Amino acid sequence: GQSLEQPSEVTAVEGAIVQINCTYQTSGFYGLSWYQQHDGGAPTFLSYNALDGLEETGRFSSFLSRSDSYGYLLLQELQMKDSASYFCAVIGRAGSYQLTFGKGTKLSVIP
Amino acid sequence: EADIYQTPRYLVIGTGKKITLECSQTMGHDKMYWYQQDPGMELHLIHYSYGVNSTEKGDLSSESTVSRIRTEHFPLTLESARPSHTSQYLCASSEGHMPGYTFGSGTRLTVV
Repeated sequence: GQSLEQPSEVTAVEGAIVQINCTYQTSGFYGLSWYQQHDGGAPTFLSYNALDGLEETGRFSSFLSRSDSYGYLLLQELQMKDSASYFCAVIGRAGSYQLTFGKGTKLSVIP
Repeated sequence: EADIYQTPRYLVIGTGKKITLECSQTMGHDKMYWYQQDPGMELHLIHYSYGVNSTEKGDLSSESTVSRIRTEHFPLTLESARPSHTSQYLCASSEGHMPGYTFGSGTRLTVV
């Protein structure tokens, strides 16, 4: 089976840095993705890691450690518009494009 | 600008009715998916398709059915709606070996 754990809620101050962790227990692993979803909106793709290390995309970075079954999303220079839910999602095997999602982390950015 | 379209955006129907949720994408993506999401919860895969005439059930048991007769179109049908089907249904697509999905805005279904 597949199991992903991430904190349910995180609060951070505007301009600060926040890290959202994701640990996974899956029967197979090919890659880890992150999605952002504003209330009432559609999820939008943020990043993808298939190999260990850090991927940077503007203010957002994502990290993966396959040996620790762990990844995180790092958001820098937080803005109010970053208030949203963030989901980690796993692709279980090569050739499969189905995502298994975590329960999501609701990020609240406060002034 | 949305490249994947879902209609209707909101739907309230009575128990026992047959409904079809529409999903169309203009990006030529070969892979399409249906996810179910309750408020504040994770997304669960209910159906997916890797191409025309290819459909598979996902991890979450669902009484719905899907079809993929054209690349751009992936409708989901509930033959007899029940209150337990009340949820948000999200359609998504992806291309080739690219890992990112593009999601539609979803259909919020309420069965009364």
